Amino acid sequence: DAGITQSPRHKVTETGTPVTLRCHQTENHRYMYWYRQDPGHGLRLIHYSYGVKDTDKGEVSDGYSVSRSKTEDFLLTLESATSSQTSVYFCAISSDRGSSYEQYFGPGTRLTVT
Amino acid sequence: QKEVEQDPGPLSVPEGAIVSLNCTYSNSAFQYFMWYRQYSRKGPELLMYTYSSGNKEDGRFTAQVDKSSKYISLFIRDSQPSDSATYLCAMTINQAGTALIFGKGTTLSVSS
Repeated sequence: DAGITQSPRHKVTETGTPVTLRCHQTENHRYMYWYRQDPGHGLRLIHYSYGVKDTDKGEVSDGYSVSRSKTEDFLLTLESATSSQTSVYFCAISSDRGSSYEQYFGPGTRLTVT
Repeated sequence: QKEVEQDPGPLSVPEGAIVSLNCTYSNSAFQYFMWYRQYSRKGPELLMYTYSSGNKEDGRFTAQVDKSSKYISLFIRDSQPSDSATYLCAMTINQAGTALIFGKGTTLSVSS
């Protein structure tokens, strides 16, 4: 998985609780992304980062926040989890050297909100 | 209308068959086109990418882009049971790649 780890890999949480998912990369790539994948919707971009402390919103950013204090780590926080945020979350990375459209994905985090 | 349309299948073929997977899109500004393969409960892995129109071949896989028809295809020759996976097309306008738009994926099953 291109030097990308995600933690936790599985999580069950209750509605209203905060949740933080972590993405860690060892590739020193500039760009990092958070997606969610749901049946019938495919992969949708939540937030992305183009450098340390530089982030921007994606298609489905409501209810999510992100932070990137180091090149290698990108955190996704659900401030107050809802059942609609039950999903599989994927982190991806891409380089700014040449073809940065080539995104490489982590193994995913399966989140269930009860 | 979604920007990228992909038939979800499922598509079932016997081993050795030629498989054709397709996506259509509506935004003529898309320039870079990718195919990802995703095995069950795994992250997507980049299979092939092409820039603009034309064909690109890599072993048993051929990616084809027809920008005039806004249509991309992935052909798999001599399909194997190990090709059983979900195939996602993706595309973007610029090389920065920050706005990658994915199709919903087509599930392929190759039986031995």
